[in-house]
Amino acid sequence: DTGVSQNPRHKITKRGQNVTFRCDPISEHNRLYWYRQTLGQGPEFLTYFQNEAQLEKSRLLSDRFSAERPKGSFSTLEIQRTEQGDSAMYLCASSWPNTGELFFGEGSRLTVL
Amino acid sequence: GQQLNQSPQSMFIQEGEDVSMNCTSSSIFNTWLWYKQDPGEGPVLLIALYKAGELTSNGRLTAQFGITRKDSFLNISASIPSDVGIYFCAGQLISSGSARQLTFGSGTQLTVLP
Repeated sequence: DTGVSQNPRHKITKRGQNVTFRCDPISEHNRLYWYRQTLGQGPEFLTYFQNEAQLEKSRLLSDRFSAERPKGSFSTLEIQRTEQGDSAMYLCASSWPNTGELFFGEGSRLTVL
Repeated sequence: GQQLNQSPQSMFIQEGEDVSMNCTSSSIFNTWLWYKQDPGEGPVLLIALYKAGELTSNGRLTAQFGITRKDSFLNISASIPSDVGIYFCAGQLISSGSARQLTFGSGTQLTVLP
């Protein structure tokens, strides 16, 4: 399977703990995106990379959030000192540049207790 | 900022019926896309539209890019049980050779009754 892969699929953590999600994009794609989705809403943009460069960050991405794509391949999204409001599905997607045809992974669902 | 209004929020239809949903924007987009999302999964691209007035089909799905570039429609004909899911519209603005991120609507929950 050469689709976008995310892990873990589910994460339950206590408030204040740090969590990290990993995304492996489609290998031919040089753009990688992180979105957040809460119940009953569409995905909301967090940040994106072109190769290893992080080109844009949303205001939703507070200081507790950090994303990396060190070698231009896989990416990680870390949330420090988690809060209950961080509970959501975190979606990763990849694409070629200048196209809206994003291919999404299955998502990582975070529950903060 | 850009906002997408998607309607209806939910629909209950009988198997075999046709269904329509639409999306309107306060801003102009030059790409419209429609995605479907099943529970616990990521969105899957259904149709991409790149030109105002464009009408594109994908099997029983047909989508149109509005002339004003501020709206789009998705029609599903002869619905079947596997059409159940949440349908999202998404718009993108490409300017000066750089694509901005997608803006998603809030989704239309489709239920198909046997």
